[in-house]
Amino acid sequence: DAGVIQSPRHEVTEMGQEVTLRCKPISGHDYLFWYRQTMMRGLELLIYFNNNVPIDDSGMPEDRFSAKMPNASFSTLKIQPSEPRDSAVYFCASSLRVAFTDTQYFGPGTRLTVL
Amino acid sequence: GENVEQHPSTLSVQEGDSAVIKCTYSDSASNYFPWYKQELGKGPQLIIDIRSNVGEKKDQRIAVTLNKTAKHFSLHITETQPEDSAVYFCAAIFGSSNTGKLIFGQGTTLQVKP
Repeated sequence: DAGVIQSPRHEVTEMGQEVTLRCKPISGHDYLFWYRQTMMRGLELLIYFNNNVPIDDSGMPEDRFSAKMPNASFSTLKIQPSEPRDSAVYFCASSLRVAFTDTQYFGPGTRLTVL
Repeated sequence: GENVEQHPSTLSVQEGDSAVIKCTYSDSASNYFPWYKQELGKGPQLIIDIRSNVGEKKDQRIAVTLNKTAKHFSLHITETQPEDSAVYFCAAIFGSSNTGKLIFGQGTTLQVKP
């Protein structure tokens, strides 16, 4: 398996623009997670899905952030409008059957820079 | 609140020496503690985990110990090699396996000097 796939790997945009990050989880995994990593706050869980259904979005920082999972092989994280403080590395991860005690497999991340 | 403290933030050792990273957690109900390794430009990768029903687990040069009474757990790497250089994160589960969350420590940057 190719592992978790994320695109783009790098994104540079200007404040106010819409940003869409994409993720393809490992085939057959029931859970998908979106994390954000910054120097100040470390690795934070934003939202996670079970079988395409959002379970907990309490980590989403503001209404500017939204995430969808239209099918088992694709998810998006959207920021609209983007702000400089959104600059971070965003990771997608997936796990097989149990959310937090099965191994979470992380993608390579998307480095977002908002100017 | 939900908190995992990790120390030290940076650690430099000579190749062949041992490295120890320590974490404490706030919720006595936590029962699952994974360790992740993150290499430059990559996502975190699970290297070892421990559940609360055991006190120690080993996998080749890596071991993790857990002290539930004191609410702390540690990662031990023996015979370190340059390829062990990376950022290491501990984590603890808060809540249940499917509806809780993993809280990560702030990370330890390990440098192994040849």
